[in-house]
Amino acid sequence: KQEVTQIPAALSVPEGENLVLNCSFTDSAIYNLQWFRQDPGKGLTSLLLIQSSQREQTSGRLNASLDKSSGRSTLYIAASQPGDSATYLCAVNPGGYNKLIFGAGTRLAVHP
Amino acid sequence: GAVVSQHPSWVICKSGTSVKIECRSLDFQATTMFWYRQFPKQSLMLMATSNEGSKATYEQGVEKDKFLINHASLTLSTLTVTSAHPEDSSFYICSARLGSPNTEAFFGQGTRLTVV
Repeated sequence: KQEVTQIPAALSVPEGENLVLNCSFTDSAIYNLQWFRQDPGKGLTSLLLIQSSQREQTSGRLNASLDKSSGRSTLYIAASQPGDSATYLCAVNPGGYNKLIFGAGTRLAVHP
Repeated sequence: GAVVSQHPSWVICKSGTSVKIECRSLDFQATTMFWYRQFPKQSLMLMATSNEGSKATYEQGVEKDKFLINHASLTLSTLTVTSAHPEDSSFYICSARLGSPNTEAFFGQGTRLTVV
């Protein structure tokens, strides 16, 4: 059974710091992994999608890496801003299934 | 990215009544849509996978007679919470893919359901 874990559960940093969010999964047989952002009381915004054959994806200040064999992904946020404050969720798409398995998320607070 | 619209964004209903939530893919056709439930400060729990023109596939532990899902067209799926009770109060979110399982998933804004 695929399980997804995110560390840390919460993070508070001053503005301008570079930071790394971690995601691990137990079964390496995945189609892809997707990172999302969720603001309080809102839906999810897709940030990055990494296919199983890829090692990383970049969008602006965000960079996500994938090491499928070790069951790990990281989301790197450069030069953090207060507007980055949100919950970040990673989700894996298990091979052979059309669904997403979510981690519990990392609650990020960036203070001025 | 693609847009998934969910309506209503919040609803309050009395115990025993039914509530319908709509999920629309605005700029693409979605053969498959997904319904999730999220409890406060917890992650998303998949309730069911909705396939256009056929019956939904429910996850273990989800009552299909309580959570009725209809996917009548390629752009619309509905979730009806029947005979709602306070324990059904939650945040419900729908999702759709652009195509096959390895494509990106997009999410609606969510619906906050409160049963009083």
